[in-house]
This record gives sequence, structure tokens and C-alpha cells, in this order.
Amino acid sequence: DGGITQSPKYLFRKEGQNVTLSCEQNLNHDAMYWYRQDPGQGLRLIYYSQIVNDFQKGDIAEGYSVSREKKESFPLTVTSAQKNPTAFYLCASSMGPGTYEQYFGPGTRLTVT
Amino acid sequence: LAKTTQPISMDSYEGQEVNITCSHNNIATNDYITWYQQFPSQGPRFIIQGYKTKVTNEVASLFIPADRKSSTLSLPRVSLSDTAVYYCLVGVNAGNNRKLIWGLGTSLAVNP
Repeated sequence: DGGITQSPKYLFRKEGQNVTLSCEQNLNHDAMYWYRQDPGQGLRLIYYSQIVNDFQKGDIAEGYSVSREKKESFPLTVTSAQKNPTAFYLCASSMGPGTYEQYFGPGTRLTVT
Repeated sequence: LAKTTQPISMDSYEGQEVNITCSHNNIATNDYITWYQQFPSQGPRFIIQGYKTKVTNEVASLFIPADRKSSTLSLPRVSLSDTAVYYCLVGVNAGNNRKLIWGLGTSLAVNP
């Protein structure tokens, strides 16, 4: 089955720890995205990548880092510098620049205490 | 900068047609308008996309007037399973970069 996967579905961390969220796709898509969603809120773009080894900051990149070493993978690290990391994190992919149909993963709910 | 505005919530009944409008000021001439559906604790799912006039697929229609300052998602004969949050998304091409402008979502409740 083609699709986009995120793991784990739920993640708990102590304040001050870095944590990495996984995102993998087998759709052969060039572009990948990370969003953050808070309760009752819309989607806010953290980072996106249009091609391997390249990525750009979105609207709320502070406290986050990403890498894109492989086409299939776009992990997101939530660092201890992120002031309010508890949220629902969504990864998405699309065929490439100029194509706006995004395929989303199931999301990872991160709770930091 | 393009900005999108949509109603926070809407109520409907099974079998009715539902129309959700999204306003997008200053949309660029090369922007597409895309709508997504999201259920609780899931990722959004693509519904429909359009550039101008009318687009229809098996689940919805999208109406875009000539001035393209708004778009209307039309869901025919909704059922209880259409209860979800609906987002409009405007894409902006800016050279080698893309700017994605998401609405805050419309929470649709379909009642029996």
C-alpha cells in the first residue's frame, strides 16, 4: 500500500529533552511538510522540503529542526528550545512544487510535561 | 499577502446540501484553491481543488467566482459521516518558494 506513515502515534517526553518524530512516505513524492495543530486550531507550517537535501522554514520554525537525507524520509526534531511543544504534529507530502494536493499521515500527538 | 477567512462552525441535517465559503483576499493569479476534510485525531484528507469557475468530483463541487476572492465548497446530501472540520487552502507560488495559506477551519455538524 502506498502512503505516508508517522510514528509513534503518541509520544510523551519530559521538559528539556529533544525528541524526534518520524515521517516516511512511499508515494515517490518530492515535497514533504511538517505542520503543528493545537486544539481547535488550524494547521501551521513548521518546515517544508521540496527536494532531497533542501528544506525551508515555515511560519513557526523556531525550536524545531529537520533533515531530508532521503526522498522517503523527513524527520522532525522538537528541541528543548521550543517553548510550547505539546501539540498534534502532522506530516504531509505532495508530488512537487506547484502541486497542492497533499497527502497527510495519521499524526503524532506529543505531550511534554 | 493572501489571507483566508471561513466560518467557524455550521450546522446541517442529513440529506441537505451544505455550502461552506472561504474568502481569500489578494489571491494571486496563479493560486489554486484546495479544500480538505479532517476528522478528530486524523490527518486532513484532500476533497477538491480548483482554479476558476466550477469543479466537480464524486464527493463535492467547488465554485469560484470570476474575481476569485472567494470559493464555495458544496457538499450534496450530507450524512452523519460528513461531520468534520473543513479547511480551505490557498497556494501561492513565489519564485522557487511556496507560501501555503490555510484557513482556520469550519466545523460542520450534521444532525439526524
